[in-house]
Amino acid sequence: RKEVEQDPGPFNVPEGATVAFNCTYSNSASQSFFWYRQDCRKEPKLLMSVYSSGNEDGRFTAQLNRASQYISLLIRDSKLSDSATYLCVVIGYTGRRALTFGSGTRLQVQP
Amino acid sequence: DTEVTQTPKHLVMGMTNKKSLKCEQHMGHRAMYWYKQKAKKPPELMFVYSYEKLSINESVPSRFSPECPNSSLLNLHLHALQPEDSALYLCASSQDAPGSPPYEQYFGPGTRLTVT
Repeated sequence: RKEVEQDPGPFNVPEGATVAFNCTYSNSASQSFFWYRQDCRKEPKLLMSVYSSGNEDGRFTAQLNRASQYISLLIRDSKLSDSATYLCVVIGYTGRRALTFGSGTRLQVQP
Repeated sequence: DTEVTQTPKHLVMGMTNKKSLKCEQHMGHRAMYWYKQKAKKPPELMFVYSYEKLSINESVPSRFSPECPNSSLLNLHLHALQPEDSALYLCASSQDAPGSPPYEQYFGPGTRLTVT
């Protein structure tokens, strides 16, 4: 089983749609959780950290469920500029700082 | 300013060449990372430096040699690479405080390497 699993998509949605991505992780000792976005041939950019209490940044809402070991990202009112690959990222424990990436979910927002 | 810079942006090298990739950050971060990314795959960790000391080497072949001259700079020295080493090489940095939960990482734009 992969450490971090994501549905690879692609998700093709019209502008204005709401889309949700889920991600599961296998290491129950995981400490920190993030969503990154990556545009084609560019570097990953931090979208938001994910907390158990849930957090929102404009049209984006992230949620962590530790009991079920999954992370979600909700995008409301999709824009064309949201088209990208969304990477779920987990860090195992304080002694190991490196990120473990999911394989990414491709989102294509269509006019 | 959450900027990590990398040079060069593109590099083409032969299998007998020696070259270096450079990474710099001025955010006061004490952890720096090298990742390798192949097309349509997520980044894979290569090396981690914490307080200028190598803390993780993910069984990377010795033809890749990292160096951390100071807290702001990270180099990756390349020698006798193979065509399959062609990839995007990404540098990242983060805060690092022992005993605290891991912090988010910020990535540079990467060096696109082609080995011929």
